[in-house]
Amino acid sequence: AQSVAQPEDQVNVAEGNPLTVKCTYSVSGNPYLFWYVQYPNRGLQFLLKYITGDNLVKGSYGFEAEFNKSQTSFHLKKPPALVSDSALYFCAGGGGFKTIFGAGTRLFVKA
Amino acid sequence: DGGITQSPKYLFRKEGQNVTLSCEQNLNHDAMYWYRQDPGQGLRLIYYSQIVNDFQKGDIAEGYSVSREKKESFPLTVTSAQKNPTAFYLCASTRQMRSTDTQYFGPGTRLTVL
Repeated sequence: AQSVAQPEDQVNVAEGNPLTVKCTYSVSGNPYLFWYVQYPNRGLQFLLKYITGDNLVKGSYGFEAEFNKSQTSFHLKKPPALVSDSALYFCAGGGGFKTIFGAGTRLFVKA
Repeated sequence: DGGITQSPKYLFRKEGQNVTLSCEQNLNHDAMYWYRQDPGQGLRLIYYSQIVNDFQKGDIAEGYSVSREKKESFPLTVTSAQKNPTAFYLCASTRQMRSTDTQYFGPGTRLTVL
């Protein structure tokens, strides 16, 4: 069965420090992977996606993610975190036509 | 501005009532989706539609119904058969139904059962 896992319910980081939000996947065929962000009482916003090519994907608002096939991971990163990055982050993926979402990781960035 | 709109933002339902959530998009996307979001459970797919006049059940379709009479519109009805409807409902669309396509989300409707 296909799945996307976010092993951390919550990540805490100090402003200015680098942040990492973890994601692992299990999909059939070539994996297509996404990161979305959700602010309170809002819909999800697209950050970045990996389809093929360079393993380091750059996205919106300074976020990037590294695709690692051997570890089946697609961790989200941002070199210096900002307080405004505090939100709920979802990893998503699919190998067929259907997209599966992880349970989400809440990121808290403290000033 | 292209995008997806959902209405209402907040909705309250009494026991035994059916309620309909609106979703409209002007992105000219073929595929549309309804998700339910509960705390700590991520997004669960209720229904999806690849093209007009066609829709399929997702993972948790029981107690819900949809229609897709126009490309722009994909309303969701929460029926009285849905035993625990209190949740945040999100509508999304993609250009086509391919796993490489980015999903565009509406702002959501929060449904509360009184």
